[in-house]
Amino acid sequence: NAGVTQTPKFRVLKTGQSMTLLCAQDMNHEYMYWYRQDPGMGLRLIHYSVGEGTTAKGEVPDGYNVSRLKKQNFLLGLESAAPSQTSVYFCASSYRTSELWQGNTEAFFGQGTRLTVV
Amino acid sequence: GQQLNQSPQSMFIQEGEDVSMNCTSSSIFNTWLWYKQDPGEGPVLLIALYKAGELTSNGRLTAQFGITRKDSFLNISASIPSDVGIYFCAGRPFYTGANSKLTFGKGITLSVRP
Repeated sequence: NAGVTQTPKFRVLKTGQSMTLLCAQDMNHEYMYWYRQDPGMGLRLIHYSVGEGTTAKGEVPDGYNVSRLKKQNFLLGLESAAPSQTSVYFCASSYRTSELWQGNTEAFFGQGTRLTVV
Repeated sequence: GQQLNQSPQSMFIQEGEDVSMNCTSSSIFNTWLWYKQDPGEGPVLLIALYKAGELTSNGRLTAQFGITRKDSFLNISASIPSDVGIYFCAGRPFYTGANSKLTFGKGITLSVRP
């Protein structure tokens, strides 16, 4: 059971470079999320997707773009990396519950990508 | 937007002690989740709570969904060294539809002295 897999696990970028982080889940979840984690800030939502072909902005979307072309994959792109984007990035997924009032359920996380922008 | 408050930022306890941590919100939530994050890993779900007043255990862990829907607590009994990590609470606001998203607290870093 792979669950949620993120690649790469580590990356160093120079300011202005671009890169794509890949998240793959094998649980057939409808919802996928990208968070960043910084010391003392907890987990902050960057972008999320409620289904294939749809994406939406989270709390801190600036400087990032996402795509969900396939249900199992959610890509996070940095077009022009900045030192402020040095962080640990987590992908998560969750499934829709049959209980309408709940919406969706708990999120399952990947192991993270540690990105340093110099 | 909604915020979840976890404090203090760090806790230090002796092995074998019990520890309790809580999470509060100014607004109503209909789901409370507790996650643990080990160093270098992603958060892992410990306990999920879906009903006000619900009390759920998972081994030495016990969590409760506050009756007001604005808080939750997590209790760890007889702590051991591997309990070290960051404990996050997360909640989903009272019904906002299928697109409702989790809100996370900033986490409490737990240290256990042998």
